[in-house]
Amino acid sequence: DAGVIQSPRHEVTEMGQEVTLRCKPISGHNSLFWYRQTMMRGLELLIYFNNNVPIDDSGMPEDRFSAKMPNASFSTLKIQPSEPRDSAVYFCASSLNSGASGANVLTFGAGSRLTVL
Amino acid sequence: GNSVTQMEGPVTLSEEAFLTINCTYTATGYPSLFWYVQYPGEGLQLLLKATKADDKGSNKGFEATYRKETTSFHLEKGSVQVSDSAVYFCALSGSSGGSNYKLTFGKGTLLTVNP
Repeated sequence: DAGVIQSPRHEVTEMGQEVTLRCKPISGHNSLFWYRQTMMRGLELLIYFNNNVPIDDSGMPEDRFSAKMPNASFSTLKIQPSEPRDSAVYFCASSLNSGASGANVLTFGAGSRLTVL
Repeated sequence: GNSVTQMEGPVTLSEEAFLTINCTYTATGYPSLFWYVQYPGEGLQLLLKATKADDKGSNKGFEATYRKETTSFHLEKGSVQVSDSAVYFCALSGSSGGSNYKLTFGKGTLLTVNP
């Protein structure tokens, strides 16, 4: 398996532009996560999908952020309009969640580094 | 709520030195505990885990023991190598079925090993 695939790896854009980050989870995994990593706040969970359904989006910063998972093999995180404070590394991760405690081991993608000027 | 506190870095060691990275947690119930490692330019990957008290997780020479009495999960390695240079994250997941998906991460500890 190629692992969790994210694109683009790097994105530089100007304030106000729309940004779309993409993720292909590991085949067979039923859970997908979007995390944001910054020096100041560390790793923050933005949204969690289970079986393509958003379960927990309490970490999404504001209405400018949206995430979709139209099928089991693809997810997007969109920021519109983007702002300089959105600059961060965005990670997608997937797992096979059986419901048992401790079984939810995440496999992370390599991340998308976003810079908003 | 759940929280994880790990020692501030950076940590700089010489090759073959002994490594300890402290991690303590606050959680209700019986969480599962994890150490993830992030190499430069890559995503996080699982290093080891423990799902109940007194369990010891181990991998690649690293070990950590789930200590419920001290709410700790310290990472240790007897002899580090240059290739161990990375950022290490302690994490926990909730104990109940409704919250076990949610990983709470520490801030990360940067380890640099010099030859």
